[in-house]
Amino acid sequence: DAGVIQSPRHEVTEMGQEVTLRCKPISGHDYLFWYRQTMMRGLELLIYFNNNVPIDDSGMPEDRFSAKMPNASFSTLKIQPSEPRDSAVYFCASSLVVMNTEAFFGQGTRLTVV
Amino acid sequence: QKEVEQDPGPLSVPEGAIVSLNCTYSNSAFQYFMWYRQYSRKGPELLMYTYSSGNKEDGRFTAQVDKSSKYISLFIRDSQPSDSATYLCASRGQGAQKLVFGQGTRLTINP
Repeated sequence: DAGVIQSPRHEVTEMGQEVTLRCKPISGHDYLFWYRQTMMRGLELLIYFNNNVPIDDSGMPEDRFSAKMPNASFSTLKIQPSEPRDSAVYFCASSLVVMNTEAFFGQGTRLTVV
Repeated sequence: QKEVEQDPGPLSVPEGAIVSLNCTYSNSAFQYFMWYRQYSRKGPELLMYTYSSGNKEDGRFTAQVDKSSKYISLFIRDSQPSDSATYLCASRGQGAQKLVFGQGTRLTINP
């Protein structure tokens, strides 16, 4: 398996624009997580899904953030409208609870909002 | 107060030294304790995984959990320049999937 795949790797956008981050989890994994990492706040959980259903979105900072998982092999995190304070590295991770393994992370998307 | 606290460092040691990385946590319900390693511009990767209290050893790495003091440690023996990375501790409760991470400690091993 190629691991968790995220796209794009880098995104630079202007304030007010819509940004869509994409994630393909490891095949067969039933949990998918979206994290945000900044120097100030470290790694924060935004939302996670189980079998494509959102379970906990309490970490989503504002209504400008939304996440979907239309099927087991794809998820998106959307920011609309984007703001400079959204600049961070966004990670997607997946896990398989049956084997009690921990989360495997993608390479991340580095987002810069100017 | 954050549920998992970790000194962000940075920490710089000479090659071959023993490194000790530490975290504290506040949630008594935490049962699973992990250490992730993150190289620059990469995603975190699982390094060690421990359930409840005790020690776990894997090569040059030893993870230690003391639930009585809510203290998590990672020891690296015979440290190598390739160990230079950010180390993140993380915890979660029984049956919970939500991992809570520490801030991460940036470690540099000098040749």
